Amino acid sequence: AQSVTQLGSHVSVSEGALVLLRCNYSSSVPPYLFWYVQYPNQGLQLLLKYTTGATLVKGINGFEAEFKKSETSFHLTKPSAHMSDAAEYFCAVSAAGYALNFGKGTSLLVTP
Amino acid sequence: ETGVTQTPRHLVMGMTNKKSLKCEQHLGHNAMYWYKQSAKKPLELMFVYNFKEQTENNSVPSRFSPECPNSSHLFLHLHTLQPEDSALYLCASSQATPGLSGNTIYFGEGSWLTVV
Repeated sequence: AQSVTQLGSHVSVSEGALVLLRCNYSSSVPPYLFWYVQYPNQGLQLLLKYTTGATLVKGINGFEAEFKKSETSFHLTKPSAHMSDAAEYFCAVSAAGYALNFGKGTSLLVTP
Repeated sequence: ETGVTQTPRHLVMGMTNKKSLKCEQHLGHNAMYWYKQSAKKPLELMFVYNFKEQTENNSVPSRFSPECPNSSHLFLHLHTLQPEDSALYLCASSQATPGLSGNTIYFGEGSWLTVV
């Protein structure tokens, strides 16, 4: 089975600072990895995903993530936080023949 | 607008009521899902339908009854619910199941359910 662990249920950054949200995965087969964002009172929206190929994946709103097999990680970054980035972020993993499993989420707070 | 529409957005029901949540996707997808999102818990996959056939039921209590009449519509029928069933219920769809080539799941905005 596949699983993800998101380190830190709450992360606080200043506006303009680097955003780093951590995600480690466990998978017995090559994984597909996703980051979703959820704004208040809304559903989940895909930020980016890794399937195969280039390990550095760029997504919407200036976010990117790097797949590191040796570290079993897929951390999400953004060089400069904006107030509008405040939301809940979910890492998720699937693989051939397996459903999508989500982490518990990380709440990002951006302070002025 | 994600292409997945859920109604109603908010529902309050008593424990003896029968109600239904409706989901419609306009993306031409073949797989549809129900997820439950409770406070301080990971998203819980409830049901998966692929080409109208249920392919996954994650030990969901029988008081939740899904129905998928076609690839575009998904219902969740609710009866004799408990207060702990209060949560955000998210419908989602994908071209095929995510395990196939990493297909993306697209979510609706959810239906907030309160059981009193």
